[in-house]
Amino acid sequence: SYELTQPPSVSVSPGQTARITCSGDALPKKYAYWYQQKSGQAPVLVIYEDNKRPSGIPERFSGSSSGTMATLTISGAQVEDEADYYCYSTDSSGNYRVFGGGTKVTVL
Amino acid sequence: EVQLVESGGGLVKPGGSLRLSCAASGFTFSSYSLNWVRQAPGKGLQWVSSISSSYTYIYYTDSVKGRFTISRDNAKNSLYLQMNSLRAEDTAVYYCARDFGQMAPYFDYWGQGTLVTVSS
Repeated sequence: SYELTQPPSVSVSPGQTARITCSGDALPKKYAYWYQQKSGQAPVLVIYEDNKRPSGIPERFSGSSSGTMATLTISGAQVEDEADYYCYSTDSSGNYRVFGGGTKVTVL
Repeated sequence: EVQLVESGGGLVKPGGSLRLSCAASGFTFSSYSLNWVRQAPGKGLQWVSSISSSYTYIYYTDSVKGRFTISRDNAKNSLYLQMNSLRAEDTAVYYCARDFGQMAPYFDYWGQGTLVTVSS
C-alpha cells in the first residue's frame, strides 16, 4: 500500500523557519496537501494543491513540491503554530487516499 | 454554514458491530463525495473510506475491506459507516469529512468526530 513519510518532530524558535518534508513515490504526479491539527480539534487545511493557501490561513504558511518530496514551510513560526501537521495525497490511481504519519511542531 | 455531525460511537466488544452516522447541513449534500477518516488515541490520521456523490465509486483502506461498509442517503443528507467484526485496533475517533470537489479529492470540512472503543 502507498505511504507518505514525514519526520516525527520538528522544533523551531519563535520567529524562525520550520520546514516539514513529506516523501512519496506518487508525488511527482499527485498534489500534496497539508493539514494542521491542534490537540483535541479536527484537522484544518493549511495548504492545498502543493502550494495554494486557503483563505484565512496566514501567509507564513507556504508549500512546495519537487519530485517525490513535498515541503511545508512556516516562515516566522509563532507559538500558536504548535500542532501536529499531516501531509496528505492519493496513490497514483487517485482512488486511495493516504496521510503521512504526522510531524509534531514545537515552537519554543 | 457547512456542518457535519457524527454520532453512533461507543463501547463495543471485539467481534461486535456498530453503525456510525454523519448528518450534514449547509450545502448540497448530493453534489459532494464524502469520507470517513479515523484517528486512534495518540496516533495519526488514517483515511478509512470514501463514497462518491452518486454512490458510484466506493473505496476502502485495506485494513477495513470486507468488514466496513460506507453508504449514504442523499434524501436524508446522511452518511453512514457500518462496522462489523470490530477489532481492538479499530478503536479511534471517527471523523466524517467532505471532499472539496469532484476532481479535488481532499477534505475541506470535517465533523468533530465520534469515539469508537473496541474492548472486552
